Amino acid sequence: DVKVTQSSRYLVKRTGEKVFLECVQDMDHENMFWYRQDPGLGLRLIYFSYDVKMKEKGDIPEGYSVSREKKERFSLILESASTNQTSMYLCASRTDRARGYTFGSGTRLTVV
Amino acid sequence: RKEVEQDPGPFNVPEGATVAFNCTYSNSASQSFFWYRQDCRKEPKLLMSVYSSGNEDGRFTAQLNRASQYISLLIRDSKLSDSATYLCVVNRASGTYKYIFGTGTRLKVLA
Repeated sequence: DVKVTQSSRYLVKRTGEKVFLECVQDMDHENMFWYRQDPGLGLRLIYFSYDVKMKEKGDIPEGYSVSREKKERFSLILESASTNQTSMYLCASRTDRARGYTFGSGTRLTVV
Repeated sequence: RKEVEQDPGPFNVPEGATVAFNCTYSNSASQSFFWYRQDCRKEPKLLMSVYSSGNEDGRFTAQLNRASQYISLLIRDSKLSDSATYLCVVNRASGTYKYIFGTGTRLKVLA
């Protein structure tokens, strides 16, 4: 089975801190994604990457950046955390467009 | 109109019942469709893809109606373990990497 591992299950950070969320997948998938999930809003795409060093903005990229230096790792960076970035962050990967995603178990981030 | 819409529920059904959910999508160019299941405080997991001709996986049947732009999920002989939120996922347009998630339909199967 494909495994997508997110480095932290729970994080509490202070407003203004730079925050790194790490995601690693072990099945050589080309495509990787970062979503956030909020009650009533569902999952919203922040950024995605279809190959190493390639990235594209999703629907809500403001306040975030990403890095994909190696195929297996996709990092989400909150440049200066704000309270409205308190959310569940989900990383996903897939092998191609026709396939569904495999998600990591999520990181619940609280910004205080 | 939202790109993907689902009835949030909850659908409360007794064990053994048959239940169906629909999901409507707004972009007629969408090509890929999926149903995911999400348990409380867990990540979504792929339940099944939805194919044009309809497809079945055990007690689960998925169908696509392109003319009316909706997909459906039918669960037969509901089990307590089917209690979860079911998310519909649609790609935004043909060939795009961007998938849109519905906000989910909550199902509670009662003993």
